[in-house]
Amino acid sequence: QSVLTQPPSASGTPGQRVTISCSGSSSNIGSNTVNWYQQLPGTAPKLLIYSNNQRPSGVPDRFSGSKSGTSASLAISGLQSEDEADYYCAAWDDSLNGPWVFGGGTKLTVL
Amino acid sequence: EVQLVESGGGLVQPGRSLRLSCAASGFTFDDYAMHWVRQAPGKGLEWVSGISWNSGSIGYADSVKGRFTISRDNAKNSLYLQMNSLRAEDTALYYCAKDPRAVTHPLNWFDPWGQGTLVTVSS
Repeated sequence: QSVLTQPPSASGTPGQRVTISCSGSSSNIGSNTVNWYQQLPGTAPKLLIYSNNQRPSGVPDRFSGSKSGTSASLAISGLQSEDEADYYCAAWDDSLNGPWVFGGGTKLTVL
Repeated sequence: EVQLVESGGGLVQPGRSLRLSCAASGFTFDDYAMHWVRQAPGKGLEWVSGISWNSGSIGYADSVKGRFTISRDNAKNSLYLQMNSLRAEDTALYYCAKDPRAVTHPLNWFDPWGQGTLVTVSS
């Protein structure tokens, strides 16, 4: 059971906008920033969003992040077939001995 | 270009030991904290351990505390994970990842990640 809760799956058609949620608590998302990672099939995770809503260079502006209270969201607009991947949220947790916690991941399918 | 290349994975019996390595290039290794993150087959990501630039700050997940030891050799631009008393539940792809700062911090993240090395614990 992951500390951060994500829906196991999401889907959309090309061109659509999809959002993936990440729910936590006051000790993680509620008091720290959220990062998102994209894992394309058979590859290593890649940083997609950091500090709640910042995009590393090279990440298209179709990807955006937001945070409110103890929840965060990743939005993907203008969905493309190459966006089909697993998406993970992550945050520091103040209360646990192992500080970094991840969501269970959301598998995004482009129909 | 920043590169992280893990090695040392393999098949090992329960209770035995294994040492993973991560060779770093393309950046000043001793300026940054580093981490190990693992992913069991078909499962999600789990942070395993992290180490600051000078090894002065080290942390472990509860699931590996007392069995795993993280270390680094800045002269060799290398990160290590000594894994003892291995269990079946340690079976996973182990990634090393770079921290954006010298000491890990709640505001940080992992970027980039290596390609991973597979550890299989089975009799």
